[in-house]
Formats: sequence, C-alpha cells, structure tokens
Amino acid sequence: EDKVVQSPLSLVVHEGDTVTLNCSYEVTNFRSLLWYKQEKKAPTFLFMLTSSGIEKKSGRLSSILDKKELFSILNITATQTGDSAVYLCAVVDYGGSQGNLIFGKGTKLSVKP
Amino acid sequence: DTGVSQNPRHKITKRGQNVTFRCDPISEHNRLYWYRQTLGQGPEFLTYFQNEAQLEKSRLLSDRFSAERPKGSFSTLEIQRTEQGDSAMYLCASSRDLEKLFFGSGTQLSVL
Repeated sequence: EDKVVQSPLSLVVHEGDTVTLNCSYEVTNFRSLLWYKQEKKAPTFLFMLTSSGIEKKSGRLSSILDKKELFSILNITATQTGDSAVYLCAVVDYGGSQGNLIFGKGTKLSVKP
Repeated sequence: DTGVSQNPRHKITKRGQNVTFRCDPISEHNRLYWYRQTLGQGPEFLTYFQNEAQLEKSRLLSDRFSAERPKGSFSTLEIQRTEQGDSAMYLCASSRDLEKLFFGSGTQLSVL
C-alpha cells in the first residue's frame, strides 16, 4: 500500500534555530513531491520537487528530494514565530489511489520566542 | 478572487440533520478533490473528480456522504443524517491534471 511518512510529528524550537523536517515515501509510480504549510485554514503551497538533488529555495525555506532513497527534507533556517504551522508532505503517484495524491500526517512545528 | 472558494466557512448543525457544502474551484482546473481534516491530522482523502466524473471514493465516504460535480465546474458535498463524528474541517482543492493542488479555506462543520 502506498504511504507517505513524515517525521517528527511535532517539534518545538526557539526563534533563530534551524529545523529539518523529513518525508519518506513508498509509492508505485512517483511523479512529484509537494510541501505545504498549514496555519489555521487552507494549506498553502511551498514547493514541488520532481528531480533528485536539485534544491528549491524560497527565502529561509529550502527543500531537496532524493529519489533513490525515497525521501525529501524541508529546511527552515533562522526560524521565526510566524513559521509555526503544520507542514504537510504529499506525493503524486501516477496510477495510484486517492486521486494520485497521498498526504502524510504532517509535522507540527512550534517556534517559541 | 481567482482561488478556490468554499461555502459556508462554518456550519453548526444538530445530529441527524443534512448539510451541503459547496466548492468553486479555479476555473481552468479539471481535477477537484474533497478532504476531511481533524485536529492534529493531515488531510484525509474523501473523493475526487476529473471534470464531471467522480473517479474515486474513499472507504471513509459512507453511504451518508455524496458528492457531485454536475458540469465539471463547482462541486457539492452532502452529508445526510449527520453524526457527531462528522465534525471536522472539510477541505476542497483543485488542480490542473497532476500539478500542484490549490486549497480552499475549508468548511468547519460542528455537529451538536
């Protein structure tokens, strides 16, 4: 059965710390991996990764994909309280179930001042 | 606003009542998804449409749940004979083919 596993499930850090969130996956026909940030309501899109080894960056956030080892990481440097959110990982799987998109349970990040 | 729109934002109902939610996707998006999310959990897949065709339904979608997308544009999700366990955030999302999903703000359902 396809699955996407995120770790840790929750994390508490202080402002200024650097965090690394993990997402591993097992799917039948991988197409891409997506990261979302969810604060109070709708998840908002962060990154889409399709190729191994190419880092995507947006400000203090960056992400990379390893298609050989089947995982991705999301890095946040110099964390701020506004980074507190649930970070969701999802994998697009050609021919898979759930509309070809499998979500992990998320990592809840809390950044303390 | 050209994003995904969901109505209502909040719904409070009594157990046993029927409720209906609406989702208006981004206009050129052919795929539309419904998810349910409870506190501390990732979105749980309910169903998805490609244009007007409902292509997949989760085991979570009991016979009290029905979804439609009659003209391949907006979609409705109806829950009949609501139960307290139906209380959750119902999220709609749309995409063009298998590109990234755009989410609506959700409908928060509380069943008393």
